[in-house]
Amino acid sequence: GAGVSQSPSNKVTEKGKDVELRCDPISGHTALYWYRQSLGQGLEFLIYFQGNSAPDKSGLPNDRFSAERPEGSFSTLEIQRTEQGDSAMYLCASSKRQDRANSPLHFGNGTRLTVT
Amino acid sequence: GDSVTQMEGPVTLSEEAFLTINCTYTATGYPSLFWYVQYPGEGLQLLLKATKADDKGSNKGFEATYRKETTSFHLEKGSVQVSDSAVYFCALGGATNKLIFGTGTLLAVQP
Repeated sequence: GAGVSQSPSNKVTEKGKDVELRCDPISGHTALYWYRQSLGQGLEFLIYFQGNSAPDKSGLPNDRFSAERPEGSFSTLEIQRTEQGDSAMYLCASSKRQDRANSPLHFGNGTRLTVT
Repeated sequence: GDSVTQMEGPVTLSEEAFLTINCTYTATGYPSLFWYVQYPGEGLQLLLKATKADDKGSNKGFEATYRKETTSFHLEKGSVQVSDSAVYFCALGGATNKLIFGTGTLLAVQP
């Protein structure tokens, strides 16, 4: 069966450009999470979706970052006016439901974003 | 706020050596605790978990015991193999709906 799919796997962009990253969760998984992993850092939570709503956006660093999950299936993470500090691995995860203790997160392979 | 601290790597061991990767946490309430592993070129995957104090999670020869008195969840394996080479992440799931991860520990096992 298919796992969590993220595209593109690598993205190089110039400072100031906008980028959009996509995540396709495992079919039937209602919960979807975005994380960011910078060199030497742990995984930093960005945003969580339950269906098509986002109950927790507390990890988005600033208003240049936004995410959508319009139909409750795939999700997109958009970064506007990218900066070099945005360079990182962006990871998406999904789970069957919100209860992490009984429904582990399944991660994609990530999108490596490099801002030059 | 909630946080996880794990030992910095890299940890380099010979095959069949004993492994310990330390993890301590700070949390309000009673979190669930997890170890995730990331093999080269692959996504993170759950290795083991424990949902309450004194629980022991185990999988693939790895074990970790949820110690509330020392706020720890150290990962251990009695005899590592080359195939265990990976990055290991300790994480906690607290009152909110997100996992909080440590910075990861790179394990390199040499034949």
